[in-house]
Amino acid sequence: DARVTQTPRHKVTEMGQEVTMRCQPILGHNTVFWYRQTMMQGLELLAYFRNRAPLDDSGMPKDRFSAEMPDATLATLKIQPSEPRDSAVYFCASGLRQHGELFFGEGSRLTVL
Amino acid sequence: GQQLNQSPQSMFIQEGEDVSMNCTSSSIFNTWLWYKQDPGEGPVLLIALYKAGELTSNGRLTAQFGITRKDSFLNISASIPSDVGIYFCAGQGDYGGSQGNLIFGKGTKLSVKP
Repeated sequence: DARVTQTPRHKVTEMGQEVTMRCQPILGHNTVFWYRQTMMQGLELLAYFRNRAPLDDSGMPKDRFSAEMPDATLATLKIQPSEPRDSAVYFCASGLRQHGELFFGEGSRLTVL
Repeated sequence: GQQLNQSPQSMFIQEGEDVSMNCTSSSIFNTWLWYKQDPGEGPVLLIALYKAGELTSNGRLTAQFGITRKDSFLNISASIPSDVGIYFCAGQGDYGGSQGNLIFGKGTKLSVKP
């Protein structure tokens, strides 16, 4: 049963700490997206990759956020230093370029105190 | 920037009733997708639409890609308690030849009276 896997599912940390979230996309998918979900803003696109190359990260605060794909089976989203306003659920999704369909992971719920 | 207006924001319905929700945009999209999100989980794809005018069904769900390519609707027939959740529309354009961003609506929260 192919699925997008995200870790950790939950993370509570203190302001100023580094947070790294990981995503394993569905095997064979060549696009990976990172979204952030909050009550106020809904689902916001942070970054996306195609064939491991970053195509758009304009939605990401550059001073503290970074997204990478070290290899085709791993995408990472890092926040350093974290702030309380970063508290949200972060979703990774993967898909194939020729289709618009994205498949989401279960999310990483981040709480920054 | 791209925006999707999804309505209604929330609705309560009686079990067995039909439900309708829609999304509109000021921009043209090449793809419309409908997702459902249950509490504590990620959005799950329900229906994907790729052609203007296309009407697609998935069980009790039916969705249409508007002729103008600027809107889409989702209908749920004979609602049941497990239909409770948040439904999102998402639209995708094709900007400059690269895969466009998937833009999401704010969601429609569906609650069913038992």
